[in-house]
Amino acid sequence: KAGVTQTPRYLIKTRGQQVTLSCSPISGHRSVSWYQQTPGQGLQFLFEYFSETQRNKGNFPGRFSGRQFSNSRSEMNVSTLELGDSALYLCASSLPWTPGTGELFFGEGSRLTVL
Amino acid sequence: GQQLNQSPQSMFIQEGEDVSMNCTSSSIFNTWLWYKQDPGEGPVLLIALYKAGELTSNGRLTAQFGITRKDSFLNISASIPSDVGIYFCAGQGVGETSGSRLTFGEGTQLTVNP
Repeated sequence: KAGVTQTPRYLIKTRGQQVTLSCSPISGHRSVSWYQQTPGQGLQFLFEYFSETQRNKGNFPGRFSGRQFSNSRSEMNVSTLELGDSALYLCASSLPWTPGTGELFFGEGSRLTVL
Repeated sequence: GQQLNQSPQSMFIQEGEDVSMNCTSSSIFNTWLWYKQDPGEGPVLLIALYKAGELTSNGRLTAQFGITRKDSFLNISASIPSDVGIYFCAGQGVGETSGSRLTFGEGTQLTVNP
């Protein structure tokens, strides 16, 4: 069974640009979450999508957005990039939440560097 | 953002030693998860815990869901060099409104000397 696939793995952007990251979840998983990982803040929840709807959102500015397609694939976008947006962006897929099904499986991440 | 208190932050041990790390929170969680992350990779799920008091093993790893639902610990027995990495605890909130959202600890960096 293929795992969570994220593309691109690495990218470099300059301040003010925008970026789109892609995530393909494990087959059969319909919930996709995004996390930002930085040395200073650790792993922080960005948002979660299920059935093409945003179900949950973390405390990030509106420059961070996402969407989910009918095949459960998801994209996240960051506009007007700032230096502080440099981070590893992780996508996780899971079954829709029900008691006893809380396991999230992560991709390898997209390493974004903003210059 | 909210984080769990995970300790210790780092550990330096000899191969063959046992390791213990724990997480505490001011909030209760429905689920506790333990992950391991290698450099440049995403976190890999090690153990999932769903009931207060639950004790679960996965090979040399053992984890427990605290009775108060506000803490969890992970033990690694007879450590080996490939155990090197960062270990994260993560708590999942109560109720469907929390969805799959995880709150992560700060991580424990484990170094194993051969």
